[in-house]
Amino acid sequence: AQTVTQSQPEMSVQEAETVTLSCTYDTSENNYYLFWYKQPPSRQMILVIRQEAYKQQNATENRFSVNFQKAAKSFSLKISDSQLGDTAMYFCAFMKHYRGGGSEKLVFGKGTKLTVNP
Amino acid sequence: DVKVTQSSRYLVKRTGEKVFLECVQDMDHENMFWYRQDPGLGLRLIYFSYDVKMKEKGDIPEGYSVSREKKERFSLILESASTNQTSMYLCASAPGTGARGKLFFGSGTQLSVL
Repeated sequence: AQTVTQSQPEMSVQEAETVTLSCTYDTSENNYYLFWYKQPPSRQMILVIRQEAYKQQNATENRFSVNFQKAAKSFSLKISDSQLGDTAMYFCAFMKHYRGGGSEKLVFGKGTKLTVNP
Repeated sequence: DVKVTQSSRYLVKRTGEKVFLECVQDMDHENMFWYRQDPGLGLRLIYFSYDVKMKEKGDIPEGYSVSREKKERFSLILESASTNQTSMYLCASAPGTGARGKLFFGSGTQLSVL
């Protein structure tokens, strides 16, 4: 079974600064996806960024980037130029790669509560 | 935009009651999911469905059942609510192929069982 571990229950950062959220995972699979999902106070979770394990290049989405270390099974999220709207719970998640797609069963970590201070 | 609508944002029920949590999506997605979110535990999958009338157990199905009679609607049923089912319930949907893990979530139902 896969497990996802987020070791930082809470973090805070000053507006405009950079923060890194940590995530480690355990799996025997070779093909899989990793994700960071954001849950703002409105409670509606949205996908922030996705990494496919077979891709060596780290994914980036505007101010969000990841550091994917496959051998170490580590997947951290870096938020640059933090904004007040980044205040949210962030969940790291894992999904096996299913041939032909489908199923989409994600395994989530326990989450990190990030507060961006003005 | 994909919309996943959960019928109640907050719900208070009594122990032993039968509880229905409803979820509707408007994007013709094949896959639908029910997660439970608890502080310090993250999200845990209760049930999911990949087609009408099809369902599979997730990691914590005990005490729950589901119904999917129409493609757009996925209901979570607590047959006899207990206090340990007090939690946030999140519904999500995704297309049958090509989603690559991108789920569309509703805004959650905070259920309190007294």
